[in-house]
Amino acid sequence: AQSVTQLDSHVSVSEGTPVLLRCNYSSSYSPSLFWYVQHPNKGLQLLLKYTSAATLVKGINGFEAEFKKSETSFHLTKPSAHMSDAAEYFCVVREPSGTYKYIFGTGTRLKVLA
Amino acid sequence: KAGVTQTPRYLIKTRGQQVTLSCSPISGHRSVSWYQQTPGQGLQFLFEYFSETQRNKGNFPGRFSGRQFSNSRSEMNVSTLELGDSALYLCASQSGGVYNEQFFGPGTRLTVL
Repeated sequence: AQSVTQLDSHVSVSEGTPVLLRCNYSSSYSPSLFWYVQHPNKGLQLLLKYTSAATLVKGINGFEAEFKKSETSFHLTKPSAHMSDAAEYFCVVREPSGTYKYIFGTGTRLKVLA
Repeated sequence: KAGVTQTPRYLIKTRGQQVTLSCSPISGHRSVSWYQQTPGQGLQFLFEYFSETQRNKGNFPGRFSGRQFSNSRSEMNVSTLELGDSALYLCASQSGGVYNEQFFGPGTRLTVL
């Protein structure tokens, strides 16, 4: 069965410093992987997705993620944090066959300090 | 294209009542999923409908049910409401295809008193 683990429930960074949100997955197949962001009292918005075309995926708002099969990781990064990046981030893996379920991580709350 | 819409946006009910939430997916999307989000349990999958059939189901009691209509619009119903059902209910639609993402609506905030 597929699963996803977000290694940090909370991350704090200063504005202008790099952001790293960690995600590890387990999958028997070549997975589809996604990162979503949720601002307070809002729905989830897709940041980026991995679809096996390229291991380094660029998303919106300067975010990117690298798929590392050997480490079963899909960490989200951004070179310079902005106050508006404060939100909750979810890593998601999708089963590529069978039920095609989306499996959500428990989320990482990012705090950006002025 | 219009995004995923959910109605109502806010709802207040009392224990024992029932509630129906509605979701209109993006035009052309045949899959609709429902999630419950609470501070304590996080984001939990309720069920998914595809072409009017329930394709997947999460671990929720039978008080939670759903359906999908021929135009892909979906409703979920919660009967005999409990205080613990207070949550943000999110709907997501997806067009099909293994690598396609889900698109989320803004959610319905349900408060049970």
